[in-house]
Amino acid sequence: QVQLQESGPGQVKPSETLSLTCTVSGGSVSSDNYYWSWIRQPPGKGLQWIAYIYDSGSTDYNPSLRSRATVSVDASKNQFSLKLRSVSTADTAVYFCARYGDHVPGYFDYWGQGILVTVSS
Amino acid sequence: EVVMTQSPATLSVSPGERATLSCRASQRIHSNVAWYQQKPGQAPRLLIYGASTRASGIPARFSGSGSGTEFTLTISSLQSEDFAVYYCQQYNNWPPWTFGQGTKVEIK
Repeated sequence: QVQLQESGPGQVKPSETLSLTCTVSGGSVSSDNYYWSWIRQPPGKGLQWIAYIYDSGSTDYNPSLRSRATVSVDASKNQFSLKLRSVSTADTAVYFCARYGDHVPGYFDYWGQGILVTVSS
Repeated sequence: EVVMTQSPATLSVSPGERATLSCRASQRIHSNVAWYQQKPGQAPRLLIYGASTRASGIPARFSGSGSGTEFTLTISSLQSEDFAVYYCQQYNNWPPWTFGQGTKVEIK
């Protein structure tokens, strides 16, 4: 059974960089041919896809966040990470990491529990 | 970007009754739609993919239908644990993968 767990600071100051890590157990981020993703949900609102990473190198980003987001993989720790630069209060959200099902970037079959990140001074 | 529009925003249903949720795509997306259930404080849970295929472990009372631009999630007989928010998501034209704004199913 695949499990994902987000970790990182729960509060970030405006203009700084948000950094989150997703630790995967029960599967490999680099050798199982799955795509891995970050998705966020502002309080009381809907879901927004942020980015994906595949095979430690292939990435893509939501056009609205491409200039500020970077995703990467640490295969030795079986983790993947998100950095979001120059944050504002609009970036306050619960951030989820998730896996795409069926080895293709389509629907999401496994999700982490989510981590609330508040942007505030 | 494909915009997914869900209706209604809130659906009030009595336990044991049928619930029908709708999702409309702003352009044709074949059958590349998934449905998720989200309860407060939890991550979304995959219910349906390919518009009509139930994910592993999902009860048969959940069914999906549609293709092109119009999609439906039906819960045949609502159980107490089914009261939640439901989201549709398209994966035909990407990036970005996009979600609807959600339908809240509440107890009538």
